[in-house]
Amino acid sequence: DAGVIQSPRHEVTEMGQEVTLRCKPISGHDYLFWYRQTMMRGLELLIYFNNNVPIDDSGMPEDRFSAKMPNASFSTLKIQPSEPRDSAVYFCASTPSDSGNGYTFGSGTRLTVV
Amino acid sequence: QKEVEQNSGPLSVPEGAIASLNCTYSDRVSQSFFWYRQYSGKSPELIMSIYSNGDKEDGRFTAQLNKASQYVSLLIRDSQPSDSATYLCAVMNRDDKIIFGKGTRLHILP
Repeated sequence: DAGVIQSPRHEVTEMGQEVTLRCKPISGHDYLFWYRQTMMRGLELLIYFNNNVPIDDSGMPEDRFSAKMPNASFSTLKIQPSEPRDSAVYFCASTPSDSGNGYTFGSGTRLTVV
Repeated sequence: QKEVEQNSGPLSVPEGAIASLNCTYSDRVSQSFFWYRQYSGKSPELIMSIYSNGDKEDGRFTAQLNKASQYVSLLIRDSQPSDSATYLCAVMNRDDKIIFGKGTRLHILP
């Protein structure tokens, strides 16, 4: 299994631009999570999906952030417009139905907004 | 009070010694607990999970859980330089979401 696949690995963009981060979960995993990691705040859960349906988006910082999961093998996290404070590493993770087993993380996307 | 708290470190331990990492959590109904290892520039990797009070051993790693004290720990025996990383404590809360601590940086001294 290729694991959780994220793209791009690095993204540098100018303030105000739209940024789209992509994730392919492990096949058969029903849950998909988007996390953001910074030195100051650690790993923060932004949103998660169950069977492609958004279940909890209470961690999404503001309306500039949106996430979709059009099918079981693909999800996007979009920031529009981007701001320098959005600079962080964004991780996608997935898990089977029994989430008590912990999550498998992708390699992450390091986003820098200048 | 933060949901999951860890000392940020760095914790420096001589090679071959036991490294002890600690974590406290706030949600009394939490049932699932995890330790992740994260190397610099890499993603978190699950190394241990524990669900019942007591100890759980896996190779050089031992996870300890005390639900009454809301305390989780990870012991690493015979520490190796390759164990140098940030260790994240994670707890599944009452909403079935896994909440992470900020991590403890561990440095094994050769």
